[in-house]
This record gives sequence, structure tokens and C-alpha cells, in this order.
Amino acid sequence: QKEVEQNSGPLSVPEGAIASLNCTYSDRVSQSFFWYRQYSGKSPELIMSIYSNGDKEDGRFTAQLNKASQYVSLLIRDSQPSDSATYLCAVNMGSSNTGKLIFGQGTTLQVKP
Amino acid sequence: GAGVSQSPRYKVAKRGQDVALRCDPISGHVSLFWYQQALGQGPEFLTYFQNEAQLDKSGLPSDRFFAERPEGSVSTLKIQRTQQEDSAVYLCASSLLTAGSNQPQHFGDGTRLSIL
Repeated sequence: QKEVEQNSGPLSVPEGAIASLNCTYSDRVSQSFFWYRQYSGKSPELIMSIYSNGDKEDGRFTAQLNKASQYVSLLIRDSQPSDSATYLCAVNMGSSNTGKLIFGQGTTLQVKP
Repeated sequence: GAGVSQSPRYKVAKRGQDVALRCDPISGHVSLFWYQQALGQGPEFLTYFQNEAQLDKSGLPSDRFFAERPEGSVSTLKIQRTQQEDSAVYLCASSLLTAGSNQPQHFGDGTRLSIL
């Protein structure tokens, strides 16, 4: 079992719809969780961080964390073609004291006009 | 600078050659990380520096990989006797505070290394 798992997709949604991206992790004591967006050939760009159970909203983005289920998700409302990219879930495992991030393989999102 | 800067952006080397990849983190950032990203995969951790101290090198795949950050700012990742499996994008990231602070990491554009 991988430490951080994501469905590779592609996830295809029509413009204006809600895109839902999911991620599960194995280390129950993980402390911090990040979503990065990566366009082809570009660097990962931080879009959300979440540290406690519940929802965190920032504009069209909402991150949801459920530590009991070891599950973190990202919702993108009113999806735009410019949102088409790979979304990487990253976890700072509780067992690590160096802050290294463990990444999932990423989910490719395609938003169709 | 405004962001993490990496050079070169692209590097082509013949198998067996040594390469050096440079990372200039965001000014003032204490923590610096190197990751390796294979095509279609998420980044994988290589090594971590807190200022000039290399506190974690558990992700370095072999003793051919060596990283340094002698003055606590710019870092260099060196790969000796390159092999084809070293072909990947090498990403550098930095964060403002020490690792335990849960600070987010900010990434450079990476160096795409191709070994022929």
C-alpha cells in the first residue's frame, strides 16, 4: 500500500461543474496536508493547506480533512478550463521530523468548455 | 529573488558523466528540500537541509547522489557516474521556518535531466 494514494484519472468535468479530487494516506498521526497544482512542464504550485478536521475554503477551492478516515479531498467549484492540470496531494507524515512531504501520484483534471 | 530558482532548466548528459544541479531558495528560507519526479508520478523526497545542516538524506537513491548547502543558502545536488534511471525532473523546494512548523513548501521550476 502506498503511503499517499490518489486516483490518477483523468477526471473529466464540464465547465462550471464541481470537481472532486480525493486522497487517502496511511500514517494515522500525519499532521499537515497540502494540495498542489502542477501544469505540464511546470513546478507544483501550492493551492491549499489544511491541518485540522473539517473544511477550509479559499475562493473556489475547498479542502476537506477527515483524520479518522485518513482522507483528504479538494473540491473545485465553477470549474474553468484553466483548472485543467494535475493535482498533487502531499502529506507531512507524523513519523517524520524533517517536514518532508510524501506525494500521491497526482490526479489529472480535464475541464471541458 | 521572488521565488525558488533552479538551474539549468534542462540538462542532457551521457551515461557515466557527473552533473551538478543548482537551487537558489527564497531569501531567508531556513528549510530546503530536494525531490525527484519521474514522468507521471508525484515528487519523491531526496534530502533536507536546515540552514547548512543536512538533517535527512534518507531519500538519496545511492551514494552517487550528493547534496550540499555550505552557507545555508544556495544548494547543489550532484550526481556522479550518471545512469539512465537518473533521468527525471529534480525539484527544489524551500520553506520559511524549520520542519516542525508545518510551513508549506514552495517549489522551483525544476531541472529536467536526461541521461543518454
